[in-house]
Amino acid sequence: AQSVTQPDIHITVSEGASLELRCNYSYGATPYLFWYVQSPGQGLQLLLKYFSGDTLVQGIKGFEAEFKRSQSSFNLRKPSVHWSDAAEYFCAVGAWAAGNKLTFGGGTRVLVKP
Amino acid sequence: DAGVIQSPRHEVTEMGQEVTLRCKPISGHDYLFWYRQTMMRGLELLIYFNNNVPIDDSGMPEDRFSAKMPNASFSTLKIQPSEPRDSAVYFCASSFFSGFEQIAFFGQGTRLTVV
Repeated sequence: AQSVTQPDIHITVSEGASLELRCNYSYGATPYLFWYVQSPGQGLQLLLKYFSGDTLVQGIKGFEAEFKRSQSSFNLRKPSVHWSDAAEYFCAVGAWAAGNKLTFGGGTRVLVKP
Repeated sequence: DAGVIQSPRHEVTEMGQEVTLRCKPISGHDYLFWYRQTMMRGLELLIYFNNNVPIDDSGMPEDRFSAKMPNASFSTLKIQPSEPRDSAVYFCASSFFSGFEQIAFFGQGTRLTVV
């Protein structure tokens, strides 16, 4: 069975500082990996995805993520955080054969200090 | 396209009442998913449909929960009778295989409170 672990429940970062959110997955085949962001009271917005090819993927809002098969990780990064990046971030693995049904990690809530 | 549309956005109901949540997927998408988000369990898949047919309902917590998709543009999730522990945010998502990638798009969610 597939699973996703996000070890950090909360992260506080200063505006302008770099951000890295950790994600580890367990999946029996080639994983399809995603990062979604959820602002308060909102739905989930796709930040970026990895299906194949280049293991460093670029997303929206200046985010990027790196797929490392050897470490079963798909960490999300942003070089310089803006106050508007305060939100909850979810890593997910998709089951391709099932319409890409998603298994989510527990989420990491990011707080941005001025 | 307006994206995945869910209604209502908020629902407050009394224990024992029937609750119906609605979802309109993105036109042309052939998969539809219902997820539930709670503090205790995070985001979990309840059920999903392919071409209007339920494929996997193993995530539906109890017989009190039922979901239907009468056509490609509409789905409902019903809880009867509702209980306080059903309080959660319920998300609908839809996806389509483009030939190379398959991405799930989410609605804004319905926040259900059962008192």
